[in-house]
Amino acid sequence: DTAVSQTPKYLVTQMGNDKSIKCEQNLGHDTMYWYKQDSKKFLKIMFSYNNKELIINETVPNRFSPKSPDKAHLNLHINSLELGDSAVYFCASSRPQGTNTEAFFGQGTRLTVV
Amino acid sequence: ILNVEQSPQSLHVQEGDSTNFTCSFPSSNFYALHWYRWETAKSPEALFVMTLNGDEKKKGRISATLNTKEGYSYLYIKGSQPEDSATYLCAFPMDSSYKLIFGSGTRLLVRP
Repeated sequence: DTAVSQTPKYLVTQMGNDKSIKCEQNLGHDTMYWYKQDSKKFLKIMFSYNNKELIINETVPNRFSPKSPDKAHLNLHINSLELGDSAVYFCASSRPQGTNTEAFFGQGTRLTVV
Repeated sequence: ILNVEQSPQSLHVQEGDSTNFTCSFPSSNFYALHWYRWETAKSPEALFVMTLNGDEKKKGRISATLNTKEGYSYLYIKGSQPEDSATYLCAFPMDSSYKLIFGSGTRLLVRP
């Protein structure tokens, strides 16, 4: 059983389109995240939700909107896609017991905007 | 501005060699230090979460030490094997929230 699963794994789309990436975790965790792997291969946090509530919102264009229908799901919707949005996006989850809890990552979604 | 630095950026070793790499982080307001192992085409997987100065953790041939006063952690691999080839990431919580700041990683390649 995959602990944190993202779909799709690959997404190729045209500029201007709207797309969603889905994430689900079956670990019973309360906290979920979206990270973006930038051009220099750094993992940078975009959003974090705890029990369906937004707790971290980094400086991300408002074309990116996370949605958490329940604590096991955190989807990422992107409007009006731009070339610069091409990247690998990782979903993760953890138990919210402070900063000493490890994060479990999904396999990543490679988004290519053409 | 919080900075997590890892060195070296990449490392090539022969099978059987022991190796180590460094993660440097700000020593003020320390909460925890995480190490992750990231194989190509897979997800990052947690190796260790370290919280106490002087902490030493071990998992098989991989171990890590932590010095919170001077702001560094070492990851050691004893007798490297080709399956150890991966990128090793360290991450540092910026504050008491769940926001991890990741280093750029050390890419290890172990030649048979």
